Amino acid sequence: GQQVMQIPQYQHVQEGEDFTTYCNSSTTLSNIQWYKQRPGGHPVFLIQLVKSGEVKKQKRLTFQFGEAKKNSSLHITATQTTDVGTYFCADTGFQKLVFGTGTRLLVSP
Amino acid sequence: DSGVTQTPKHLITATGQRVTLRCSPRSGDLSVYWYQQSLDQGLQFLIQYYNGEERAKGNILERFSAQQFPDLHSELNLSSLELGDSALYFCASSPQQGSGNTIYFGEGSWLTVV
Repeated sequence: GQQVMQIPQYQHVQEGEDFTTYCNSSTTLSNIQWYKQRPGGHPVFLIQLVKSGEVKKQKRLTFQFGEAKKNSSLHITATQTTDVGTYFCADTGFQKLVFGTGTRLLVSP
Repeated sequence: DSGVTQTPKHLITATGQRVTLRCSPRSGDLSVYWYQQSLDQGLQFLIQYYNGEERAKGNILERFSAQQFPDLHSELNLSSLELGDSALYFCASSPQQGSGNTIYFGEGSWLTVV
């Protein structure tokens, strides 16, 4: 079955450093969604990418969809302690979301 | 607050027992999804219902079953519980049945099997 892997599994940065998580699929992705889950919380939708090569920005967050639609990335510029959490990508396959393995981000002040 | 309500928030039960988790979707949402989150398995899709009918099935064990009622709330039934069933169970909802829509997660139900 389809596997959606994210790397790194875990990253610890100092506040102000940049952070990137990569999402890779064994099959072509339909659309890609990104979610953030704060510690002890539930996943919250961030954004959806639809087109090959698409780039979207939300303040310090930049989301990119690969040209071949088999990978995606989320880049955070100048991390803040409020960025702490686990970031999941998810493939919007038929009828269901297939979530990636997640990247847990820890930010030290 | 996503508008998706799950009960109970926490549940501790013994192996071999049966529990029911309940979910009320956001007002107007017809699709309900169930996900299981454990430490080493990430977010695993279990099952989806749309307007009362099962639409998609994931890695749901035969010991687990679900249904969506006419008022659109959903229940996930877990039986013959094992220690490995301990996890956070999320319900999510969306307006339509296609997964291209944003889905909204509830706070989750923490299940501990002892």
